[in-house]
Amino acid sequence: GQNIDQPTEMTATEGAIVQINCTYQTSGFNGLFWYQQHAGEAPTFLSYNVLDGLEEKGRFSSFLSRSKGYSYLLLKELQMKDSASYLCAAMDSNYQLIWGAGTKLIIKP
Amino acid sequence: GAVVSQHPSWVICKSGTSVKIECRSLDFQATTMFWYRQFPKQSLMLMATSNEGSKATYEQGVEKDKFLINHASLTLSTLTVTSAHPEDSSFYICSARDTQVDYEQYFGPGTRLTVT
Repeated sequence: GQNIDQPTEMTATEGAIVQINCTYQTSGFNGLFWYQQHAGEAPTFLSYNVLDGLEEKGRFSSFLSRSKGYSYLLLKELQMKDSASYLCAAMDSNYQLIWGAGTKLIIKP
Repeated sequence: GAVVSQHPSWVICKSGTSVKIECRSLDFQATTMFWYRQFPKQSLMLMATSNEGSKATYEQGVEKDKFLINHASLTLSTLTVTSAHPEDSSFYICSARDTQVDYEQYFGPGTRLTVT
């Protein structure tokens, strides 16, 4: 079956760095997405990885290892506004997104 | 660019009535649109995939006669919740795939439905 695993909740301190891990199993693979979702709002796109390696975009970076079925989202210089749920989603061979349950990130001052 | 709108943003209706939610891609053409439902503190659950000009594909467990989906044009898909019940109260989110870029999905702002 198809499956996405990510931690349910993480806590970090303002100004610090946090890494949110995601492992996936899908029928075929067309890339790995990370979305940010604030409470009561729709998800917003953060990153897309289809090749192995690290993609950096400002304070956020995303890493993919296709052989390990593994990705992580790295958030640097954490700000209070980064408190949100972070959703990992893998795209299968039919270009359908398989969603993880999301990681709730709590930022403390 | 790549903006998706939903209307209404929130709606309250009485049990037994029907509610229509619109999803529009404002500045791109979307051959495929997706309808999701999200209950509090839970992840997105795909309800159906809507393809322009053809019948929607529903996920297992989603009643196609209760959740009517119409995708009549490349910029508009509608979801109608028929004979709504309180358990249908949820956050409904659509996303649209840009036909020019296979992997990109853009989300609408969501519609909060409350059935009393």
